[in-house]
Amino acid sequence: QSALTQPASVSGSPGQSITISCTGTSSDVGGYTYVSWFQQHPGKAPKLIIYDVSKRPSGVSGRFSASKSDNTASLTISGLQAEDEADYYCSSYRSIRWVFGGGTKLTVL
Amino acid sequence: EVQLVESGGGLVQPGGSLRLSCAASGFIFSSYWMHWVRQAPGKGLVWVSHINSEGSSSSYADSVKGRFTISRDNAQNTLYLQINSLRVDDTAVYYCVRWGLGWSLDYWGQGTLVTVSS
Repeated sequence: QSALTQPASVSGSPGQSITISCTGTSSDVGGYTYVSWFQQHPGKAPKLIIYDVSKRPSGVSGRFSASKSDNTASLTISGLQAEDEADYYCSSYRSIRWVFGGGTKLTVL
Repeated sequence: EVQLVESGGGLVQPGGSLRLSCAASGFIFSSYWMHWVRQAPGKGLVWVSHINSEGSSSSYADSVKGRFTISRDNAQNTLYLQINSLRVDDTAVYYCVRWGLGWSLDYWGQGTLVTVSS
């Protein structure tokens, strides 16, 4: 059982927007502005797409955005593209440790 | 270009040991805290351990505490994970990860697979 709760799967059609939630507690998501999101394609290493709740690393598409409210963080992908089909993981700092969500499989219909 | 290249994985019997290595390049290794994160086949990501930039302080997940030891050689730009008393549920791809941008795990290696089986 993962420390952070994500939906197991979401889906959307090309051009649409989807949102993935990530629920934790006041000891992690709610207590720090250190939430990250990762994209992982099959057989590949995770790639950082969002850090510190809502910041995008250089080179990451502006179609990815994120926010946080209380103990829940959210990742939104707008203008869905076929290449967005992947697993997405949230992560949060929790007092000298890091915790992850169980992952959400995004299917682009 | 930041590169992290893990090695040392393989097939080992329950109770056995392995030492994983991670060769870092493209950044000032001695300035960054480093982590190990693992992923069991078909499962999610799990944080394992981290070590500070000097190598003087480390933390571990409860599931590996007392069995795993993280270390680093800043002169050789290399991160290590000594894993002892291996269990079947330690089977996973082990990723070497840099703690960099903001408070994020910003660069990941390609991973090395550890399989524990009799």
